[in-house]
Amino acid sequence: GESVGLHLPTLSVQEGDNSIINCAYSNSASDYFIWYKQESGKGPQFIIDIRSNMDKRQGQRVTVLLNKTVKHLSLQIAATQPGDSAVYFCAENYQGAQKLVFGQGTRLTINP
Amino acid sequence: GAGVSQSPSNKVTEKGKDVELRCDPISGHTALYWYRQSLGQGLEFLIYFQGNSAPDKSGLPSDRFSAERTGGSVSTLTIQRTQQEDSAVYLCASSSQTGETQYFGPGTRLLVL
Repeated sequence: GESVGLHLPTLSVQEGDNSIINCAYSNSASDYFIWYKQESGKGPQFIIDIRSNMDKRQGQRVTVLLNKTVKHLSLQIAATQPGDSAVYFCAENYQGAQKLVFGQGTRLTINP
Repeated sequence: GAGVSQSPSNKVTEKGKDVELRCDPISGHTALYWYRQSLGQGLEFLIYFQGNSAPDKSGLPSDRFSAERTGGSVSTLTIQRTQQEDSAVYLCASSSQTGETQYFGPGTRLLVL
């Protein structure tokens, strides 16, 4: 069945460095992707999304890259800060589907 | 407030008791979702409402779980005869359209003793 997974369950980076969180998806029909951030004790928070007609989208300090050829999604966070420490989830949707499919999440830890 | 709200924020109950969890979606959002998240785990889909259509209950783990959405807005998730394995964070989300960006509430942390 369709699934969204992550290459790395945990990631530690030094404060100020850039981080990259990866996500693989298996449904080639997926056309909409979202990254969520979940801090401890809180609900997931929308970060950035991208549609399949794009391969890159930038936000404030974050960039999402989509490689449809290899069905790979990544989230880049520039100049990481302690507040970036959280679990990051990717999610996918394909046209006609009624709900998003979430990955298992990657825990990002920013070391001072 | 402009976001999704949930109540209570925390609930401690005894095994065998029934609990009701409430979700107030963002005003105007027609789609509403319930998820369960166990400690350190991902999101487990439970149920989905879209407008006046029949809900998608495919994720409910047992017949002890049910949910309703009154007037197309507020939703209540009910767990009957709670078990210890029901302990988790129950998250609600809403979206303006099916399959589009979901906005989450803070969750209800349920502990069954």
